[in-house]
This record gives sequence, C-alpha cells and structure tokens, in this order.
Amino acid sequence: DIQMTQSPSSLSASVGDRVTITCRASQSIGQHLSWYQQKTGKAPKLLIYAASNVESGVPSRFSGSGSGTDFTLTISSLQPEDFATYYCQQGYSNVVTFGQGTRLEIK
Amino acid sequence: QLQLQESGPGLVKPSETLSLTCTVSGGSISSNRFYWGWIRQPPGKGLEWLGSIYYTGSTHFSPSLKGRVTISADTSKKQFSLRLSSVTAADTAVYFCARIGYSGFDPIFWGQGTLVTVSS
Repeated sequence: DIQMTQSPSSLSASVGDRVTITCRASQSIGQHLSWYQQKTGKAPKLLIYAASNVESGVPSRFSGSGSGTDFTLTISSLQPEDFATYYCQQGYSNVVTFGQGTRLEIK
Repeated sequence: QLQLQESGPGLVKPSETLSLTCTVSGGSISSNRFYWGWIRQPPGKGLEWLGSIYYTGSTHFSPSLKGRVTISADTSKKQFSLRLSSVTAADTAVYFCARIGYSGFDPIFWGQGTLVTVSS
C-alpha cells in the first residue's frame, strides 16, 4: 500500500495567519492527490483535486501544490470557518489511502 | 445532481455481520469512470478505506480487514452494499459510501455517512 504521511498532526494558528500542511507519499503518485476539509459530524468536503485544482466554490485562499511524493495545502489567510481537520488522499493506486489528518485549531 | 445515501442498522452485535447499502441517485453505477466504495471513520479517528467495486464486478479490499469484507452491486437498483463479518467494538464507526475516480485524478464524492455501533 502507498502510505500517506501528513504533517503536522495538529496546528494552532490565528485568524489571518498563513498555514501550510504537507503530505508525503511513500512512493511517487504523480499528481493523483486530493485534499479534504472535515468538520465534526460531517462528511469530508473536497478542497483540491489533482494536486493543484481548486474545487468550484472553494475560496481562493486555499491552494495546493506538489507532484511525485511531496504535496502541500496552503491557506493564505485563515478565516474562522477554516478551523477543522484536513486530510490528503491518494488516488494513484486502487487501494485508496489517506493521510492521518491535520487538526487545525484556533490559537 | 449526484447523491449517495447509506442505509442499514445502526446497531450490530459483536461477532455478527454488519450490512449496509448505498443508493445512488442522479448518476449511474455502470460508468467506467468510477469505482463505488466504502470508507469508515471510528469516533475521533481518521479515515479508512474499506474497499471498492467496479462496474464490471471486480473488487479491491483493504488488506487490513483480512477477508472480513465483501462488496456487491445491483446496477438495476443503482445500489451497492457492504458486508463486514465478525465485527467487534473496533468496527464502531461512521460508514461512508463513496464514488471514487477510476483514473485517480477524480476526487472522492461522499455520502453523508451513517453511524454503526457494535455493542451487545
């Protein structure tokens, strides 16, 4: 299986901060990577697909980059509604795997 | 628009079999662009993919489930189903059905999820 390792596991930040979350794959996955935001009690919400494509309706402060094994999700200016848990997911293999999640908390 | 809706018992006894069905509306499960799968999330924990089925009937499962999981589909009803045998308390989770892109570039489209508790 392709292992996905996110860092950090948790992060405290303030409204207006720029935040970067990283995701590393155990082998090259090209750009077959998506990012999701999840709030308590809800299904994950798609933010980014194919590593850098922002889903329609997602605010422009969210961006993604990377290819191969190293990927990043950046939030340029945190808003109160952005405090949630974020997951990366690889679609390169038909054995789907997720990162362990990054919990973004208010400082 | 596409919608996925999980259904099934919310409480299952230990050692029994968990069974859930996902009904798809606004789309076809016979498309060659997508897998149809199940993902779960234990309380307070991360996301775990359980397995997927393709329109041809071919399936892929998580090695960690050690043969306990089966997935089937009924294209005429636009439904696919999960069976997880010999459940324990560790199988307590929110279970999501999902559409998963075959090419790998398409992201996951999620159902709303259903909580299944394993308890006597």
